Amino acid sequence: SQQGEEDPQALSIQEGENATMNCSYKTSINNLQWYRQNSGRGLVHLILIRSNEREKHSGRLRVTLDTSKKSSSLLITASRAADTASYFCATAPLSGGYNKLIFGAGTRLAVHP
Amino acid sequence: GAVVSQHPSWVICKSGTSVKIECRSLDFQATTMFWYRQFPKQSLMLMATSNEGSKATYEQGVEKDKFLINHASLTLSTLTVTSAHPEDSSFYICSARGGLNEQFFGPGTRLTVL
Repeated sequence: SQQGEEDPQALSIQEGENATMNCSYKTSINNLQWYRQNSGRGLVHLILIRSNEREKHSGRLRVTLDTSKKSSSLLITASRAADTASYFCATAPLSGGYNKLIFGAGTRLAVHP
Repeated sequence: GAVVSQHPSWVICKSGTSVKIECRSLDFQATTMFWYRQFPKQSLMLMATSNEGSKATYEQGVEKDKFLINHASLTLSTLTVTSAHPEDSSFYICSARGGLNEQFFGPGTRLTVL
């Protein structure tokens, strides 16, 4: 069963604006990952943050993790039309076995030129 | 980075027929692969964990007799949807676990059952 919840479900912004997506989860985790999916396509791995890390950056992406609140956020700065996609968080539960991932519901981001 | 392929990328079949989807790790060996299903505008739902040389581990609610998984080699896992029905129409995605426990995802297979 899914353990991650994401908000907002959908986000519509103008190019150049920042986009923030949030993810909450239920059980203790080994790590949390963010993925991007263009419509009808496979997943692209964006960033992984370990349970002992609080913040991580990669280019225009900034991810935070608050294990006390069991939540994470993904910030995309200076968004571009090409950032239009669905974004999913995925958690690797500590007790998951075989390092399986549990995906959140996702946020559909639309960036308008 | 590591590449995972899926074949076919899309398939249309008649109700009652069986469909096989292949997942291959192209440049690395994967003892563990995962199969996910994704309905339109929804998230990925883990169906099963495929282990080379042993039986797959299915998630709760997934019928093992309907979704047959075979992980016959370190680079190939197959998912067979048996006696497919329209409600099985979905996007099926596999992933392969790498040496550092990361997962590499395939491009997905869109199944449409008429």
